[in-house]
Amino acid sequence: GESVGLHLPTLSVQEGDNSIINCAYSNSASDYFIWYKQESGKGPQFIIDIRSNMDKRQGQRVTVLLNKTVKHLSLQIAATQPGDSAVYFCAESSGGSYIPTFGRGTSLIVHP
Amino acid sequence: SAVISQKPSRDICQRGTSLTIQCQVDSQVTMMFWYRQQPGQSLTLIATANQGSEATYESGFVIDKFPISRPNLTFSTLTVSNMSPEDSSIYLCSVERGTNEKLFFGSGTQLSVL
Repeated sequence: GESVGLHLPTLSVQEGDNSIINCAYSNSASDYFIWYKQESGKGPQFIIDIRSNMDKRQGQRVTVLLNKTVKHLSLQIAATQPGDSAVYFCAESSGGSYIPTFGRGTSLIVHP
Repeated sequence: SAVISQKPSRDICQRGTSLTIQCQVDSQVTMMFWYRQQPGQSLTLIATANQGSEATYESGFVIDKFPISRPNLTFSTLTVSNMSPEDSSIYLCSVERGTNEKLFFGSGTQLSVL
């Protein structure tokens, strides 16, 4: 299930389940959205991105959904594996800016 | 993609001292960015470092506390000066590459100040 701890929200899933990580953004002018994965002791790593002229984009085992009406972004991970355990950050930017605003982050824990 | 080498990977420092973090990129980049990530928190931009000009600092960060050098298009340093325990964080270097706005990050420097 999903819970909000003292720091990061945490999502715990069983290996093989599908995971959905959610992100709300506040800037209606944002037109570019990215999901990053940060494993323990490492820097964030790009997973997938989407521009505001799209509402869905698929990668390998990952799908990003964008709902501009309610300013909501989600990352879906199919057949979650223990190696997917990490903190996931959404980020938004506008007007071609290289300075995104990062969301709070969600800790995904995958149980074997 | 980009290969970004950041060092040290971690350090434990005494209050009042300074630490310089180095960031080396495998190819030339225009913009380099320094972020701070406090324990259990998201990423906060400290400053943008462009070669040949002064770094641009975000609100809440000043040059005297976080001096930055950018001597060429593949290298930058961030110094955390006169450290206090509140400076204990992960410090991350990042760069932009290619035609879109995604960033590539170094592995970070875990700083603990006693």
